[in-house]
Amino acid sequence: DTGVSQDPRHKITKRGQNVTFRCDPISEHNRLYWYRQTLGQGPEFLTYFQNEAQLEKSRLLSDRFSAERPKGSFSTLEIQRTEQGDSAMYLCASSLGGRPYEQYFGPGTRLTVT
Amino acid sequence: DQQVKQNSPSLSVQEGRISILNCDYTNSMFDYFLWYKKYPAEGPTFLISISSIKDKNEDGRFTVFLNKSAKHLSLHIVPSQPGDSAVYFCAATVSGNTGKLIFGQGTTLQVKP
Repeated sequence: DTGVSQDPRHKITKRGQNVTFRCDPISEHNRLYWYRQTLGQGPEFLTYFQNEAQLEKSRLLSDRFSAERPKGSFSTLEIQRTEQGDSAMYLCASSLGGRPYEQYFGPGTRLTVT
Repeated sequence: DQQVKQNSPSLSVQEGRISILNCDYTNSMFDYFLWYKKYPAEGPTFLISISSIKDKNEDGRFTVFLNKSAKHLSLHIVPSQPGDSAVYFCAATVSGNTGKLIFGQGTTLQVKP
């Protein structure tokens, strides 16, 4: 399977703990996106990478959130000092530079903060 | 502010009939629109797109219509099949931008056999 993969699929953590999610995009895709989806809503843009450069961050991405894509391949999203409001599905997507809007999504990581 | 709106949370259609899903947007800078389909426990899957220079794009059973003056687009599925039952998201973006997509809230389509 050469689609976008995300790990873990589910994460339950206690408030105040740090969590890290991983995304492996489709190998030839140079663009990588993180979105967050809460119940009854569509995905909301968080941040975007072109190769290893993080080129845009949403105002939704507070200082507790950090994302990296160190070698322009996989990406990690870390949330520090988690809050209950961080509970959501975190989706990763990738695309080719020539067709940036046709994004291929992974299955997501569902985070529950208790 | 919700820049892309799908005002119908759900839609139920009989197999073989037409399904029409609607989407409205407010940002006049949007010039590229997409529909994604999402099954439970999976990420959204790209379905069809349309540029603002067109008013219609067709791909098999799926057709997207764009009315720029009304800031409205719709997805027609003909004929509808039970396998089309899913959540459908409308998305919009500004071309030449980062590729950031702005999504609507989604419409759950149920196609009854």
